[in-house]
Formats: sequence, structure tokens, C-alpha cells
Amino acid sequence: DTVLTQSPALAVSPGERVSISCRASEGVNSYMHWYQQKPGQQPKLLIYKASNLASGVPARFSGSGSGTDFTLTIDPVEADDTATYFCQQSWNDPYTFGAGTKLELK
Amino acid sequence: EVQLVESGGGLVKPGSSLKLSCVASGFTFSSYGMHWIRQAPKKGLEWIALIYYDSSNKYYADSVKGRFTISRDNSKNTLYLEMNSLRSEDTAMYYCAKDHYGFMDAWGQGASVTVSS
Repeated sequence: DTVLTQSPALAVSPGERVSISCRASEGVNSYMHWYQQKPGQQPKLLIYKASNLASGVPARFSGSGSGTDFTLTIDPVEADDTATYFCQQSWNDPYTFGAGTKLELK
Repeated sequence: EVQLVESGGGLVKPGSSLKLSCVASGFTFSSYGMHWIRQAPKKGLEWIALIYYDSSNKYYADSVKGRFTISRDNSKNTLYLEMNSLRSEDTAMYYCAKDHYGFMDAWGQGASVTVSS
């Protein structure tokens, strides 16, 4: 299975820029997607196919990367962005998710 | 507005069975593949099953293959997950999600399944 590795946690101040990384154990082309999950809620799609903003998602969110290295960037970070962010690949079978990066605000 | 509403969760004993349902609205259900994804307490997300729009293909994670069955009834806009031989490690929140070329663009609120004696 394709293992997706994410940093466990990050802490940033409101107004700053934050980059959340996701590294795949094998190439996934551009088929990497990002989700935001707030406590007690279901995940929500943010970015699909590496760099495409999902409908209704603020332009503060952006994605980049291809192959094995991908980044979700939030600029500027707002207090409401406190959440866990998951990457997911759909290039290799089976679909897999990263373990998630918990974003906390200082 | 797309809505997915899961039901059927609960507390069951190891070795027992349970069937989850997911009722869809706000989109043409019969045109989209559907997933089940689960999340164990305080853990990450695990994809467990996918069914094509017309039920022609079904895929499972190795962790549930042979025990779980995904199905759908397009006339009822409903997705199902039949779970047999349940184990303690199946304890999780189970989400249904709408497929869009490999990513999940809408998720339900989840159904909680606890397997414990």
C-alpha cells in the first residue's frame, strides 16, 4: 500500500503562512487530495488533484506538488483553521490517507 | 445541497453483524460511485470500500475483505455496508462519501459502531 507521511502537529500564529507536507512512499502522479476535519465533524474536501480548490473553499488555501511530495498551504492562517488536515491518494490501489497533521493556533 | 445521512450504528458483541445505511439527496445518486471510510477513536481515516455508480464494480480494503459487503439501491438513493464477523478493531465512526474521480467531495456525519463484549 502507498504510505502517506505527514508531520503530526504544527503551531502557528494567526496571520502567518503555514505549509503542511505529505510525502508518498511511491509516486501518485497528481492524484493527491486534502481534507480538513474539525473536532466532532466529518472531513471536508479542500483541495483535489494536488492544486485544485474545492467549491466554497477560501482562496487562502492552496496546494502544490506532484509525484511523491505535496504541500497544503494556508496563507494567512485564521483562528477558524484549527483542525486536523489529511492527505489522500487515489493513484494507487487501495486508496490511502495520511495520519493527519493537527494545526493549532498560538 | 448534497446531503448524506448515515444510520444503523450501535453497540454490538464480537462476532455479530450490523448493517449501515446512507441516504443521499441533493445530487443524482445513480450517477456517482460511493465510498465507506472509517475512523477509529482518536485515529486517522481508513478507506474501506468503493462501489461504482451502477454496482458493476466493488473494491475493499484487505482489513474488511470477506467480512464486509458494500451495496446500493439506486431506486432508494441509499448506500449500504453489511458488516459480519465484527471485531473489536472494527470499532470506529463510519462515514459514507460521494466519489468524484477518486476523491471524496461530500461526506456524511458518520455512524458510530462499537464492538465490545
